[in-house]
Amino acid sequence: DAKTTQPNSMESNEEEPVHLPCNHSTISGTDYIHWYRQLPSQGPEYVIHGLTSNVNNRMASLAIAEDRKSSTLILHRATLRDAAVYYCILREPNAGGTSYGKLTFGQGTILTVHP
Amino acid sequence: EAQVTQNPRYLITVTGKKLTVTCSQNMNHEYMSWYRQDPGLGLRQIYYSMNVEVTDKGDVPEGYKVSRKEKRNFPLILESPSPNQTSLYFCASSLPSTGLNSPLHFGNGTRLTVT
Repeated sequence: DAKTTQPNSMESNEEEPVHLPCNHSTISGTDYIHWYRQLPSQGPEYVIHGLTSNVNNRMASLAIAEDRKSSTLILHRATLRDAAVYYCILREPNAGGTSYGKLTFGQGTILTVHP
Repeated sequence: EAQVTQNPRYLITVTGKKLTVTCSQNMNHEYMSWYRQDPGLGLRQIYYSMNVEVTDKGDVPEGYKVSRKEKRNFPLILESPSPNQTSLYFCASSLPSTGLNSPLHFGNGTRLTVT
């Protein structure tokens, strides 16, 4: 299974941009890059996903390297409510291409936002 | 409201006493999955289901069973719980089953303690 690597923790100040990196050097051409975040005492929630091109939505932006071996989740103006664990995962087919169900979460990055 | 509902939210039981954690989604999703979350180990996939009557093992299936008799429900069964199954459990769903670009929707979790 393709794996992702993220820093254990990062810190930011409120209203400043935050860039959360993720390395996925073994990514294959059909793998989608997904980002989720988990607020305290809640289940993970979807943030954004992409394949090759950079993506924007109301929550964040996703910048994908040209070789797709890394990506960066960008929170344009961090708020205290953005303090969470952020997970970068690859949604990938199995070896035989017959199943898309197996998902592997890494440890994630704990984001602390200071007032 | 579109949601994934898990019950119960909290459960304390004793070793060997069979239990079931229920998961239901109202989004007509084909794909459903169970995860456990433990400190230092992140989210690990237990089982997943691509559709009704189709289930497969994730990374940590030992000691668990699942069934998918209806599209909306995906119960997690512990036939003989042991203390090492004390954990925080999450159910997730997405549509469609082969959609690598389909976001996962998570429930709010079930905290299980086995004494």
